Order: sequence, then structure tokens, then C-alpha cells
Amino acid sequence: KAGVTQTPRYLIKTRGQQVTLSCSPISGHRSVSWYQQTPGQGLQFLFEYFSETQRNKGNFPGRFSGRQFSNSRSEMNVSTLELGDSALYLCASSSRGRSLLSSSYNEQFFGPGTRLTVL
Amino acid sequence: AQSVTQLDSQVPVFEEAPVELRCNYSSSVSVYLFWYVQYPNQGLQLLLKYLSGSTLVESINGFEAEFNKSQTSFHLRKPSVHISDTAEYFCAVTRPWGQGGKLIFGQGTELSVKP
Repeated sequence: KAGVTQTPRYLIKTRGQQVTLSCSPISGHRSVSWYQQTPGQGLQFLFEYFSETQRNKGNFPGRFSGRQFSNSRSEMNVSTLELGDSALYLCASSSRGRSLLSSSYNEQFFGPGTRLTVL
Repeated sequence: AQSVTQLDSQVPVFEEAPVELRCNYSSSVSVYLFWYVQYPNQGLQLLLKYLSGSTLVESINGFEAEFNKSQTSFHLRKPSVHISDTAEYFCAVTRPWGQGGKLIFGQGTELSVKP
């Protein structure tokens, strides 16, 4: 099986612009999560999507948004970019099921990330 | 809420020496615990996990970690490191219920193996 793919791998934007990042999960995986990685804040959870619905969200401003399509591919969008948005954005997919109440564990597989630089 | 503290930001070590990367967590409920490794310009790879059962878990490349509930720790060890182990290592937790895919990570430990 192909792994999680993220496009583009590198991106340079200027302050005030908006950006869209894409993530294609492993075939058959319906859960996609996004994380932001910065030297100062480390790895922080952005949000998770399952079957086109956001079911968990981290503590990020509304400028950060996402969506998931019927084929499980996901995009995240950052509007009005700030210098502090420069980061590695990682996407992870899993075969985790619908219920948040399930205690079964489904491994998350991470993509290589998109390196966003805001100038 | 859960939190994770990795006690060392950088660990330099010579090849074939033993190493321990320390991880402490805080949680009022039971958790699942993980170690991930990140090589330069790559995403995260799961190294090993503790879900339940035996408190000592092992990876295929010689790392092991021991879950210690009383000390709320999940330290990662390897008896003899190789140059190829040079990478950043992240400890992470999640709740078994109600968290979906949300992982809470520590700040990472940079392991640098020198010849």
C-alpha cells in the first residue's frame, strides 16, 4: 500500500496570503488528523476528520480550517497567514472507526509533511 | 487533560553506548503511550506503543520502553546505539476513549550518535 502523501512538500508564502495543503490517506483509511510542528511549540494537534466530518479540534484560531472529501482526502487551509504560521504541517491517517467511544487502538500513519514558510 | 514532558532536549552519545530517553506524563485517566521517531525531512514513524498488558514493550530495532504507572513514566532505552539511530524522538499519549485521533506530544529529544 502506498503511504500517506502530502502536497506540496514545500511552500513559501507572504504574510496575509492564504494557503491550502493537501493530504491523501492510506487507501481504506477514513480518519485523517492534522498536526503543526514548530521549534517553539512542538507538535500540536489541529483537527481530525472522519467521513467528511470534523470530530475533534485543537486550540487553534479560526484562520485554520479543514475539510475532508468523500474519498477521504483532506485539505487544510490557513487564511491571513502570519509569520508564526511557519511550520511543518503533518497529516496522519488511521483506520480508526466512527465511534470516539471505542477504546480500540488504530495506529496513525504520518505523511512526510508540508514545510510552510511565511515571509 | 493530559501532558507529556520529555526531560532532555538533546542527548549526545557515542556509538555502541547505551541510551535512555526520559518521558513523564500527566493524566487523571488511563492513557495509551507511544514513542515516535522522526528522521530529518521525514514524518513521524511509530517506534513502539503501550496499550495494556506487559509494562515492557519492545521495538523491532532494539529499543524498549517500560510503562511505570506509579512514576507516570515511559522511558525509552536501547542497550547499544548505532549511528543510524540519530533522529528526534517524541513521546506521546492519548486517552483510550473520547479523543479520536488526538495525540499529545512531548517536546522531543534529539538523539545524536557520534562515532
